[in-house]
Amino acid sequence: GDSVTQMEGPVTLSEEAFLTINCTYTATGYPSLFWYVQYPGEGLQLLLKATKADDKGSNKGFEATYRKETTSFHLEKGSVQVSDSAVYFCALMNTGFQKLVFGTGTRLLVSP
Amino acid sequence: NAGVTQTPKFQVLKTGQSMTLQCAQDMNHEYMSWYRQDPGMGLRLIHYSVGAGITDQGEVPNGYNVSRSTTEDFPLRLLSAAPSQTSVYFCASTSGSTDTQYFGPGTRLTVL
Repeated sequence: GDSVTQMEGPVTLSEEAFLTINCTYTATGYPSLFWYVQYPGEGLQLLLKATKADDKGSNKGFEATYRKETTSFHLEKGSVQVSDSAVYFCALMNTGFQKLVFGTGTRLLVSP
Repeated sequence: NAGVTQTPKFQVLKTGQSMTLQCAQDMNHEYMSWYRQDPGMGLRLIHYSVGAGITDQGEVPNGYNVSRSTTEDFPLRLLSAAPSQTSVYFCASTSGSTDTQYFGPGTRLTVL
C-alpha cells in the first residue's frame, strides 16, 4: 500500500540556519503530496502542496519540489525562525479526498 | 466561520465506558474524516464519510463507530473504551473541489 517515510527528529537548529526535512513516498499512480505543520497544542495546518511531478509548493518561506524520479518531496527553508518550531508531517493523497497517508512527523526545534 | 470544531478538548475514561467525540464543520464540505495521532506513528485514518448517510472504514476502524446524519456533523463513538484507544483524535473536512483537508483542534483522550 501507499506509505510515506520521513526523517526522524528532533531536528535542532539555530535561528537563521538552513532547514531540510527529508520525505520519500511509495504509491501507485500519481499522488498529490503535502506538508502539514502542527504547532504545540493545535491541529494540523496545510503548509504547502504539489499535485504533479516537478511542481514546487511554497509558503511562508518553505519550499518542496515533487520529484517523481526519486519519489521525494523534501521540505526546505533558507533561514528558520524560532516561530517555526513545530512538528512537520509529509503526506500523500492518491485516490479520494478523504484518504491522506501521513509520515510519522518530524519535530523541529529552533533556538535563538 | 468557525471551520472545524471538536468537543471535548480533553477526556478521561475508564476501561469499558462509552463516549462520543463531537465534530462539526460550517464550510459545507462533503468529505469528513477521523484520524488518531499516536507518538511515532503519525496520523492514521479511522473512518471517513463522503456525504450525509455515507460512511466507510479507514486504516484502524476497530472499536469505533461513526454516523453522518447531516453534512455538518460527524461524531465518533467509542462503545467500550480500551487503554489502546488512548490517543489524540482529529477530525478533518474537505471540499469536493479541492484536496486540502481542514483539521479541528483535536481531542486528547486518556483511557485508564
